[in-house]
Amino acid sequence: DGGITQSPKYLFRKEGQNVTLSCEQNLNHDAMYWYRQDPGQGLRLIYYSQIVNDFQKGDIAEGYSVSREKKESFPLTVTSAQKNPTAFYLCASSTGTGNTGELFFGEGSRLTVL
Amino acid sequence: AQSVTQLGSHVSVSEGALVLLRCNYSSSVPPYLFWYVQYPNQGLQLLLKYTTGATLVKGINGFEAEFKKSETSFHLTKPSAHMSDAAEYFCAVSRASYDKVIFGPGTSLSVIP
Repeated sequence: DGGITQSPKYLFRKEGQNVTLSCEQNLNHDAMYWYRQDPGQGLRLIYYSQIVNDFQKGDIAEGYSVSREKKESFPLTVTSAQKNPTAFYLCASSTGTGNTGELFFGEGSRLTVL
Repeated sequence: AQSVTQLGSHVSVSEGALVLLRCNYSSSVPPYLFWYVQYPNQGLQLLLKYTTGATLVKGINGFEAEFKKSETSFHLTKPSAHMSDAAEYFCAVSRASYDKVIFGPGTSLSVIP
């Protein structure tokens, strides 16, 4: 079945450590996104990529980094510069520019900083 | 700039009662509008969307929403609530010349037996 796979589902990190969240899709979608979800704040866009080897900052990119070396993969690194990284992270994809904006989501990764 | 507001961060209804979740948006161009549902510790799933054409759109699980341009609203309704409808609901908007989707803060729906 086609879909988006995020891993790990749960992750614990000590302060000062970088962590990388994986996102893989087999939907053949051009565009991929990372959102952060905090209670009562909806989803906030971290980074997005509409094509391989290109990506743009979203609304809250500080302290995060991404890469898009393959169409199927869009990993997110939460760096030690992110001051409040504990959150639920959601990866999504869409068919890309010109589509109606419908997003397909993974199951999410919950990061807890100890 | 686009934005989305959802009136009521938490809504409770009795099983069998009408569900009404409110969404208002602002957009400088004709919008595409969406409702997504999220169950605990899961990703979001599309309930329904409005792009063009008929302003009353029907979605999955008996939900529907009506696009009212004059009121800049896209409220979600379901005639009869079921226990399985308990979840978080997000309204979202994007521009016709799409580049990113903007989400509202969400409404948590509780269904009382």
